Amino acid sequence: DGGITQSPKYLFRKEGQNVTLSCEQNLNHDAMYWYRQDPGQGLRLIYYSQIVNDFQKGDIAEGYSVSREKKESFPLTVTSAQKNPTAFYLCASSISTAGSVYGYTFGSGTRLTVV
Amino acid sequence: QQQVKQSPQSLIVQKGGISIINCAYENTAFDYFPWYQQFPGKGPALLIAIRPDVSEKKEGRFTISFNKSAKQFSLHIMDSQPGDSATYFCAASVNYGGSQGNLIFGKGTKLSVKP
Repeated sequence: DGGITQSPKYLFRKEGQNVTLSCEQNLNHDAMYWYRQDPGQGLRLIYYSQIVNDFQKGDIAEGYSVSREKKESFPLTVTSAQKNPTAFYLCASSISTAGSVYGYTFGSGTRLTVV
Repeated sequence: QQQVKQSPQSLIVQKGGISIINCAYENTAFDYFPWYQQFPGKGPALLIAIRPDVSEKKEGRFTISFNKSAKQFSLHIMDSQPGDSATYFCAASVNYGGSQGNLIFGKGTKLSVKP
């Protein structure tokens, strides 16, 4: 079955550590996205990538980094510069072609907690 | 102008009742309006979507009503069931000459359907 796999489901980070969240898709989608979800804040865009080896900052990119070396993979690194990283992180993908109306497919999320 | 304003923040409905969630936008270039449903600990899933060339779209118990002149759209859930209890997000995006732009999400509505 095609879909998006996020791992791990739960992640604990110590102060000052960098951690990397994995996102893999087998949908052959061109575009991939990372969102952060906090209670009452909705979905806030961190980074997105429309094509391999290219990505753009979203609304809250500070303290995060990404790479897109393969079409299927879009890992997110939460760096020590992110002062409040405790949140639910969602990865999504979409077809990026003219007239596409299929919307986004989301993964099941990673819950990151600072300990 | 890129915002999508969603209301109410939370909603409690009795089983069998109608749930109504509203969204408003300012950017008249938006031309794709999806709704997503999210259960706790899961990623959002596409529920139903509409384009501004129609005023209503129905899929089972779920209906989107679209008012282009008022720049508003709403989700109606008929005969609401406890299994519909979830967080619902509206969203919108712009078509840039055939390529769909990033989705802009509302902040979400937490729906609770009481038995």
